Amino acid sequence: QQPVQSPQAVILREGEDAVINCSSSKALYSVHWYRQKHGEAPVFLMILLKGGEQKGHDKISASFNEKKQQSSLYLTASQLSYSGTYFCGTVKAAGNKLTFGGGTRVLVKP
Amino acid sequence: DTGVSQDPRHKITKRGQNVTFRCDPISEHNRLYWYRQTLGQGPEFLTYFQNEAQLEKSRLLSDRFSAERPKGSFSTLEIQRTEQGDSAMYLCASIDEYRGRNTEAFFGQGTRLTVV
Repeated sequence: QQPVQSPQAVILREGEDAVINCSSSKALYSVHWYRQKHGEAPVFLMILLKGGEQKGHDKISASFNEKKQQSSLYLTASQLSYSGTYFCGTVKAAGNKLTFGGGTRVLVKP
Repeated sequence: DTGVSQDPRHKITKRGQNVTFRCDPISEHNRLYWYRQTLGQGPEFLTYFQNEAQLEKSRLLSDRFSAERPKGSFSTLEIQRTEQGDSAMYLCASIDEYRGRNTEAFFGQGTRLTVV
């Protein structure tokens, strides 16, 4: 069963912040985050393992709440280059398959 | 290494024809995935391999779809008797998976299939 992402879309002004959420109905081993720009392949941002860790990538960071089976991606002081569609991918147990959510479209305007 | 390669990049076929796509993963990666993506949607899992072994195939996938990874290197995805609903981007991804260790997936540029 694939994870559920919210919101489906968000429009930001350059410099604003946004949060994208990823929820699963099943326990998770890890959460992946990817960004896809129009006409391109998805590109890896970060992986979070169970244990409630947080990670950062430039001004993009994420958290993973194992108990709530949720992950959040934080876009801080957004830049024009942050525009694209963000996907979370989840793995239920070590070695299991990677499945993706429906995506969140982000548009950052000047 | 040039990353994950997919061939062809675009394929237009008539309804009812068979098509085959190829994916060459990153050479040392043991795990290979096939996904299907339609406009505005996330990558939909189709199947995946650990070396030459097919670990799982989506239950939503018709019997018209079959995939192989004969020597644990490249993989092929075949769609028989194509239907208009098969029109989509078919993405391949490879992962260096070792004892459950989670690492990033590297995606190819995809094969865009149009069934007319």
